[in-house]
Amino acid sequence: EVQLVDSGGGLVKPGGSLTLSCAASGFNFSSDTMNWVRQAPGKGLEWVSSISSSSRYIYYADSMRGRFTISRDNAKKSLFLQMNSLRVEDTAVYYCARGWDFYYMDVWGNGTTVTVSS
Amino acid sequence: SYELTQPPSVSVSPGQTATITCSGHRLGDKSACWYQQRPGQSPVLVIYQDSQRPSGIPERFSGSNSGNTATLTISGTQAMDAADYYCQAWVSSSYVFGPGTKVTVL
Repeated sequence: EVQLVDSGGGLVKPGGSLTLSCAASGFNFSSDTMNWVRQAPGKGLEWVSSISSSSRYIYYADSMRGRFTISRDNAKKSLFLQMNSLRVEDTAVYYCARGWDFYYMDVWGNGTTVTVSS
Repeated sequence: SYELTQPPSVSVSPGQTATITCSGHRLGDKSACWYQQRPGQSPVLVIYQDSQRPSGIPERFSGSNSGNTATLTISGTQAMDAADYYCQAWVSSSYVFGPGTKVTVL
């Protein structure tokens, strides 16, 4: 079964850091583009970052660039999102998602909740 | 920056057709897709590459994309189709999502 399991969320103070993880199984992780998408409480989906299969191509949404870092470990079938200088407005459920190249996302994780609050 | 617009809500009676639009500048020149998100659940891809249905998605879901508008059509809407629907495109090295449309099945 193709599956993505998100983890690493929690409560962090403004200005703090957190690293999210996504464990993949059931498919050839090293061949696929991967993504992070977030959803603030009661709001819509917001793209965060994408990384190509070999990590050659990395993209970020403007509001995350410079604060967030996406990475992957193909040997461990894992995707990561390091988040620094967190703001209250970064509070959201964060989903990892498998991408078909850079066109669409066909498998989504269960999501992990990040709360930034003092 | 590129924006996609969707109606905030659509209401439909069971068995009828729901039509959700997604508008963006020359969206027809790009590849559009649609996601369904039921309350408390992760999004699910229901249409990709304008009109293709992933395996396991019912035939009542269909899509089109031309000009400035992509359209998701749900024929013979069922109660289980009540959800938020988001369109999405890849534009200038960024994923862009529409704001979402809440489909209510009355």
